Amino acid sequence: TQLLEQSPQFLSIQEGENLTVYCNSSSVFSSLQWYRQEPGEGPVLLVTVVTGGEVKKLKRLTFQFGDARKDSSLHITAAQPGDTGLYLCAGLGGGYQKVTFGTGTKLQVIP
Amino acid sequence: DTAVSQTPKYLVTQMGNDKSIKCEQNLGHDTMYWYKQDSKKFLKIMFSYNNKELIINETVPNRFSPKSPDKAHLNLHINSLELGDSAVYFCASSALNSGYEQYFGPGTRLTVT
Repeated sequence: TQLLEQSPQFLSIQEGENLTVYCNSSSVFSSLQWYRQEPGEGPVLLVTVVTGGEVKKLKRLTFQFGDARKDSSLHITAAQPGDTGLYLCAGLGGGYQKVTFGTGTKLQVIP
Repeated sequence: DTAVSQTPKYLVTQMGNDKSIKCEQNLGHDTMYWYKQDSKKFLKIMFSYNNKELIINETVPNRFSPKSPDKAHLNLHINSLELGDSAVYFCASSALNSGYEQYFGPGTRLTVT
């Protein structure tokens, strides 16, 4: 069974602070996806990283895929209240290209 | 335009009842999924269909039966509902040529009393 552990589980920070969310596994994935979910809605894809060591930037968000393709991180610079939500990493791999979701990180950015 | 839609949004029912949730996608994707998100927000895959064929069937009680009449629709029927079935159920779709990136519906919050 492939497991993706995210840390921290909860994060409450002030507007303007920086933060990093980690997504770790003992399994190798073909690619790693990051989603954000807001209350009452389904998760929305932010980015997909495919190559070991790959770094992708989406405005103030920086995503990195580990060299061994077992882990990933999401760094947010100068967090805004609009960044508040549940962040989920998801690894693609295993039979039938199954997507396995991480345990989630709930972020609250206080104005 | 709605990409992935599911109905109903909310479903409150009593133990022992049978209920269905419907899902439709207009993205032209060939793969559709059902996920269950529990109270701790853990999102777990239940089923996956590719072009109407079941390809992923996780350890789910056989009270849950998915049906895909065509590749744009995936329904979930639940028999003999139990308290532990209370959760938010998400439908999603994806395409092979986009790396199986998941497009989610708005979710159905099921409450069993």
